[in-house]
Amino acid sequence: QVQLQQWGAGLLKSSETLSLTCAVYGGSFSGYYWSWIRQPPGQGLEWIGEINHSGSTNYNPSLKSRVTISVETSKNQFSLKVSSVTAADTAVYYCARDYGDYSGNWYLDLWGRGTLVTVSS
Amino acid sequence: AIRMTQSPASFSASTGDRVTITCRASQGISSYLAWYQQRPGKAPKLLIYAASTLQSGVPSRFSGSGSGTDFTLTISCLQSEDFATYYCQQYYSYPRTFGQGTKVEIK
Repeated sequence: QVQLQQWGAGLLKSSETLSLTCAVYGGSFSGYYWSWIRQPPGQGLEWIGEINHSGSTNYNPSLKSRVTISVETSKNQFSLKVSSVTAADTAVYYCARDYGDYSGNWYLDLWGRGTLVTVSS
Repeated sequence: AIRMTQSPASFSASTGDRVTITCRASQGISSYLAWYQQRPGKAPKLLIYAASTLQSGVPSRFSGSGSGTDFTLTISCLQSEDFATYYCQQYYSYPRTFGQGTKVEIK
């Protein structure tokens, strides 16, 4: 069965760059979009952006100036970078598969376990 | 961005209760809506997509309805494992946006 495994640094200082990677195991990498979502402690979910296997991206305008999502198809991996982080970027970051069907539905059907990233001043 | 508003923010219920959570979009989104369940310390889990289609493996006590701007998630007979936070999410347009969540607590 398809699994998403994510990793990256969990403790950063203000102004540093957050970097996370998500690997897809046990299934196809192409034909989907691959997303990043974050959740500040005790708060709701915020969609950050997505990428497909050919590198086409969509970003949340609220973060677009600081976010880069990239893909390494040969390794079935995609990555997130957020520059110039502040305490407001402290959150659990999730990677997820964005599954699309023939009716135009796109939903997040598989999720990684999440990585807590804490930004200290 | 489309704003998704859930109500209530939280409520208490008992095992066996029928519960309904409402999600309203700030503009019409057809049926491009998903519902997720999140248990404490866990990743969200997809329950429903296309407003009313049950994801494979999800118990039939969960159901969704609505289109346009108003949607509901119903749990017909609340079980102990259903005490969690529920989120709606629209995928009609970018950026994808979530509701603020509805926490279902044990009475």
